[in-house]
Amino acid sequence: SQQGEEDPQALSIQEGENATMNCSYKTSINNLQWYRQNSGRGLVHLILIRSNEREKHSGRLRVTLDTSKKSSSLLITASRAADTASYFCATVYPGAQKLVFGQGTRLTINP
Amino acid sequence: DVKVTQSSRYLVKRTGEKVFLECVQDMDHENMFWYRQDPGLGLRLIYFSYDVKMKEKGDIPEGYSVSREKKERFSLILESASTNQTSMYLCASDGGRPPYGYTFGSGTRLTVV
Repeated sequence: SQQGEEDPQALSIQEGENATMNCSYKTSINNLQWYRQNSGRGLVHLILIRSNEREKHSGRLRVTLDTSKKSSSLLITASRAADTASYFCATVYPGAQKLVFGQGTRLTINP
Repeated sequence: DVKVTQSSRYLVKRTGEKVFLECVQDMDHENMFWYRQDPGLGLRLIYFSYDVKMKEKGDIPEGYSVSREKKERFSLILESASTNQTSMYLCASDGGRPPYGYTFGSGTRLTVV
């Protein structure tokens, strides 16, 4: 029962440009998290936004959450080649501790 | 930093073998999870555990079992490996309240031949 759905599935941009990835989910949540996965490796937690928060920043990352639209976006500013990875959103719904992941956005930064 | 260590990066096993995937975390986290990741299917939860000797089925537990005899170790067991269990297996731990996000191991790429 996947909750998060990322859009687009793949994104290719030039180094220095901004990258925006979107995530939609189906039911109410406690929080929404974004993770990065480099090819063939484990996932790395990037940022967590609670259901009562609307925006959060961490370095070059900016996450927004719109609970009325059940959607979130991840913005990476001034992209670098090292940002090339897959990005996943994951949700925690009330009463549960486990994360449910979307299928991810594959981001490629071209030098 | 929390570290989650999976014992093998790559593993090749034969059909019918009993396979153990080991996961150890070093931050006294109560919650531990096993996911498998397949192209086009994303990450799917197999089993999770909230405490020692406690386990809960995830979304796809069939063909798997788990063991948590010590707080730091969570083992995934394939009772009789089959080719459709060829996958990337990811272990994660979580410290609970407040939510900080999961810490994942590097993954085990299992091939069943």
